[in-house]
Amino acid sequence: ETGVTQSPTHLIKTRGQQVTLRCSSQSGHNTVSWYQQALGQGPQFIFQYYREEENGRGNFPPRFSGLQFPNYSSELNVNALELDDSALYLCASSLVGGADTEAFFGQGTRLTVV
Amino acid sequence: AQTVTQSQPEMSVQEAETVTLSCTYDTSESNYYLFWYKQPPSRQMILVIRQEAYKQQNATENRFSVNFQKAAKSFSLKISDSQLGDTAMYFCASDSMQAGGTSYGKLTFGQGTILTVHP
Repeated sequence: ETGVTQSPTHLIKTRGQQVTLRCSSQSGHNTVSWYQQALGQGPQFIFQYYREEENGRGNFPPRFSGLQFPNYSSELNVNALELDDSALYLCASSLVGGADTEAFFGQGTRLTVV
Repeated sequence: AQTVTQSQPEMSVQEAETVTLSCTYDTSESNYYLFWYKQPPSRQMILVIRQEAYKQQNATENRFSVNFQKAAKSFSLKISDSQLGDTAMYFCASDSMQAGGTSYGKLTFGQGTILTVHP
C-alpha cells in the first residue's frame, strides 16, 4: 500500500449539500492531484495543488474547490452537489521537481449523491 | 491537450498465457510520459509501467512490457505468464514532461480495459 490516505472511504450526501474530502500525501511529496472517476470510466483530472496553490485545473466548474495545507495534505470541496457528482474521488501525491516522477494514489472516497 | 483511447472494454486470458492490451494517444507535447496503471477491486491505482517518450527502448518490468510506437501514437501493454492476481481494470495514461524531466502529475486516462485471468 502507498502512504496516501483518504477519508472518508464512503459518503452519502443529498443533492444541494456540500462535501469535503480529505487526502494525506505520501511523506516527502509536495503535490496533490485530485481525480473524479465515474463508474466504469477512467479518472478525470480535477485540479492539482502545489505548495498550497492551485497549479492547474481540468474541465470542472468552480463549485469544485480545494486547499493544500503546509504539511501538503489536501481537501477537495464540492458545493451544491448534483446527482452526477456521484463518483469515486481519487487523490494522488507526487514530488514535482524531484528525481522520482511516480504518483501514488489513495484508495479513494466513494461519494453517492441522492 | 492530451487524449488517450483504449478500444478494448474487456479482455480475458487463461492463467500462464500472454495477453496484450491496446492504447492509442494523441498529444501536442514533444516530451511526455506514458503509463499503465492497474486498479483492482480494492480501488487502489497501482503503477505497472511507465515510458518516457524520448526513449526508443521499450520499458519492461518483470512480466510486463510495452510496445511503444511513437509515430503511430500507440502504447500497448503485454502481460506474460498471466496470474490470477493480474485480474483488474487497466488504464493507459499520459502526462507532460517538465523541463527537469519529471512528470507534472496531471494524468490523462483512457477509459480502461477490464482484464480477467481465468484459472
